[in-house]
Amino acid sequence: GNSVTQMEGPVTLSEEAFLTINCTYTATGYPSLFWYVQYPGEGLQLLLKATKADDKGSNKGFEATYRKETTSFHLEKGSVQVSDSAVYFCALSRLQKLVFGQGTRLTINP
Amino acid sequence: GAGVSQSPRYKVAKRGQDVALRCDPISGHVSLFWYQQALGQGPEFLTYFQNEAQLDKSGLPSDRFFAERPEGSVSTLKIQRTQQEDSAVYLCASSLRREGSYEQYFGPGTRLTVT
Repeated sequence: GNSVTQMEGPVTLSEEAFLTINCTYTATGYPSLFWYVQYPGEGLQLLLKATKADDKGSNKGFEATYRKETTSFHLEKGSVQVSDSAVYFCALSRLQKLVFGQGTRLTINP
Repeated sequence: GAGVSQSPRYKVAKRGQDVALRCDPISGHVSLFWYQQALGQGPEFLTYFQNEAQLDKSGLPSDRFFAERPEGSVSTLKIQRTQQEDSAVYLCASSLRREGSYEQYFGPGTRLTVT
């Protein structure tokens, strides 16, 4: 079946540190891949997406590349800010519905 | 423009009560989804509508869960005879097909607590 496995949290970093949150997937066919973010007290927001192999999604300094050979979609940011503190979800889309990972809580300390 | 809205935002129900959760999608969005998010977990798919047709209800956990979207816009998720394990945040999302990738926009969720 279709599934997403994310790096377990929580993750705590200092401001300006480099961030990687690992995400791997199992899917039939060629899914679209997404990163969603949930800020404290807010709903899920789409952060970035990639729809085919080797596509790179990017937004707000975050990037992720769709790697078919390693079935991965790792999230990276070169220099995190306190405002990036949130829960991050990796997800794939097959037959319309989204399949989510368990989420990674990120805390950035000043 | 207006996003996806859900009501109520919070609901406390006694075990055995019936509840109804409402979702107003973004105007013009064809597809509507319901997800269940347990504490500390990622959302899990419940059901999906395209216009008024319920095309997939494979994620509904039991026959106590029922969803409808009679006019292809507002949707209601109903849970009958609520149980403690139904306590979760219920998320609604809508999407407008764009270039074959089904980007979904989420509402703020309804937090259901069954006591």
